[in-house]
Amino acid sequence: GAVVSQHPSRVICKSGTSVKIECRSLDFQATTMFWYRQFPKQSLMLMATSNEGSKATYEQGVEKDKFLINHASLTLSTLTVTSAHPEDSSFYICSTGGQGSLGNQPQHFGDGTRLSIL
Amino acid sequence: AQSVSQHNHHVILSEAASLELGCNYSYGGTVNLFWYVQYPGQHLQLLLKYFSGDPLVKGIKGFEAEFIKSKFSFNLRKPSVQWSDTAEYFCAVTSSGGDDKIIFGKGTRLHILP
Repeated sequence: GAVVSQHPSRVICKSGTSVKIECRSLDFQATTMFWYRQFPKQSLMLMATSNEGSKATYEQGVEKDKFLINHASLTLSTLTVTSAHPEDSSFYICSTGGQGSLGNQPQHFGDGTRLSIL
Repeated sequence: AQSVSQHNHHVILSEAASLELGCNYSYGGTVNLFWYVQYPGQHLQLLLKYFSGDPLVKGIKGFEAEFIKSKFSFNLRKPSVQWSDTAEYFCAVTSSGGDDKIIFGKGTRLHILP
């Protein structure tokens, strides 16, 4: 069964709306989660690294005030797209794993969230 | 159902050995194909991608992959591996149009012995 649960799978909303995406690790504790986005015909782009109990680390060019990440527990990280606009329409995916001192914990992906802003 | 299958869960090789990691997909329609690598404790990085054109794709760090449409395969190769190639490798597929949900294989953990 799924190890990482990402919700919702699809969101369609009006411009200016804020949208929250949840990523839950179901069978293990994840101190780190990664958030990616993918535009059509492109590869995944890392947006930020979410660290439990501390601030997320954002990649260059990603607006931290627009893409709010909260990792309040070892099993839940959320990405909130604030005041979403049509250019934010994309596919967002979270993943966990690859952690530990040897980086030998397995990698698990959520099923992704397709965000469509009208 | 759409799926990506990576045949080997764990591969152990010595330095300078040749590498081939298998990837097969089940996906209706035209596809875009990717190989990603994740080094310990790090995020995914793109190794190479196939969208169209020459089915033999060259990526970073000496990796290449060949898209064989008739076999629904996109195997990753490297003629001579290095210890620094120790990582986990993921094959992924999306549709080339319409719904671009990405589907990952379960990954292959590659361990290179020095």
